[in-house]
Formats: sequence, C-alpha cells, structure tokens
Amino acid sequence: NAGVTQTPKFQVLKTGQSMTLQCAQDMNHNSMYWYRQDPGMGLRLIYYSASEGTTDKGEVPNGYNVSRLNKREFSLRLESAAPSQTSVYFCASSEGTPQGEQFFGPGTRLTVL
Amino acid sequence: GENVEQHPSTLSVQEGDSAVIKCTYSDSASNYFPWYKQELGKRPQLIIDIRSNVGEKKDQRIAVTLNKTAKHFSLHITETQPEDSAVYFCAASRMDSSYKLIFGSGTRLLVRP
Repeated sequence: NAGVTQTPKFQVLKTGQSMTLQCAQDMNHNSMYWYRQDPGMGLRLIYYSASEGTTDKGEVPNGYNVSRLNKREFSLRLESAAPSQTSVYFCASSEGTPQGEQFFGPGTRLTVL
Repeated sequence: GENVEQHPSTLSVQEGDSAVIKCTYSDSASNYFPWYKQELGKRPQLIIDIRSNVGEKKDQRIAVTLNKTAKHFSLHITETQPEDSAVYFCAASRMDSSYKLIFGSGTRLLVRP
C-alpha cells in the first residue's frame, strides 16, 4: 500500500496563478483532510471531507476550494494564488469512525511569488 | 471553536533526561487527544493518543496524561534519546461527525547527546 500520496512535491507560482493539489489514499478511509503548515503555527485545517460526497470548511478556508472526487481522492484548488498562501500543504486521511489515527501524505511545498 | 495551546515552543534536554510537553484545550466537548511527531522534512506521524475515559496511557518510554477538569493533557518522554529530537504536536477532537483535529502550535524537542 502506498498510503497517502500527494502531487506535486514542490511548486512555484506567481501571484494570481491557479493550481490544484492532488491527494489520493489507498486505505479505504472515509475521511480526508487538507492542512497547511507554517513556521510556529502548527498544522491548520483548511477543509475536510468526513465522508465521500461531503466537504466542510476548517479553520482557514479562505482562498481555497476542495473536491472529494471519489472515496480515494481529495483535491485542493487555489484559484488566485497569493504570497500569504506560501506554505507546506499536507493531505491526511482516517477511517473516520471511531476517531483515530490520521495518516499524512508527504506534503507539497508551495511558494507564491 | 476549539483552541489548543501548547508549551513550551522549544525544549532542550540532555540525553537520558525526561521531557514534558503540555497542552490546554478550550472545548469541554473534546474527547480525543492524539500526539504527533514530525521529524525534519518528514510527515507528521501518530505516536500516542488518549480518550477522555482514561486518565493516563503509556507506551514504552512515552506516556500521556489527561486532566479533563482542568482541560489539559501532557506528553511525557522518559530516558530521552537523540532520535527523539523532532517537533511534537498535540491535538484535540470532539466526537461528532467531522472527526477533525485542532492542533497545537508544536514543540521543537532537541535531545543533546
């Protein structure tokens, strides 16, 4: 099993450009999450999908959109990138019920110039 | 919403000494408290978790304690080793349909040989 995979690993954008971060899991997990990690601020939840067909906002959703394409895949889209979105983005998944371990992907390092 | 505060932000100990990291949470409905370890350049990984129906849990050199009345929980690492050097994150979650975690800001632990 590959676990949670993310593409791309690195990306540089110019302000105003758009892009989609891809995430897939092969553990048959119900729940999936997108976090951003900034120095000194820990992991902040952007959006999550508790189950296939549902998505909800987390702590910092502004400037992002998500799509739960199917049970395996959960994408994060930046429509008009801003320098404040420079960060490391992690996707995670969990079984969902009961509360349990979240498995993280390797991360995407995004720089917006 | 839930807020999780974590202290200290950095901690330096001598190899063999103990390390303690403390977290407080604001949402009295929170009932699941995991700890994640993130080595430099790697993804966060679960090391131990505790649910609100127990006050303490141990796994070899690591232990977590929970005080629901005071709304705080702590990670204890005994006999620290250089490979324990990493960033540690606490988190809290309530038992609802979202299963989402709110993370603390992290503690950078350095174990000096």
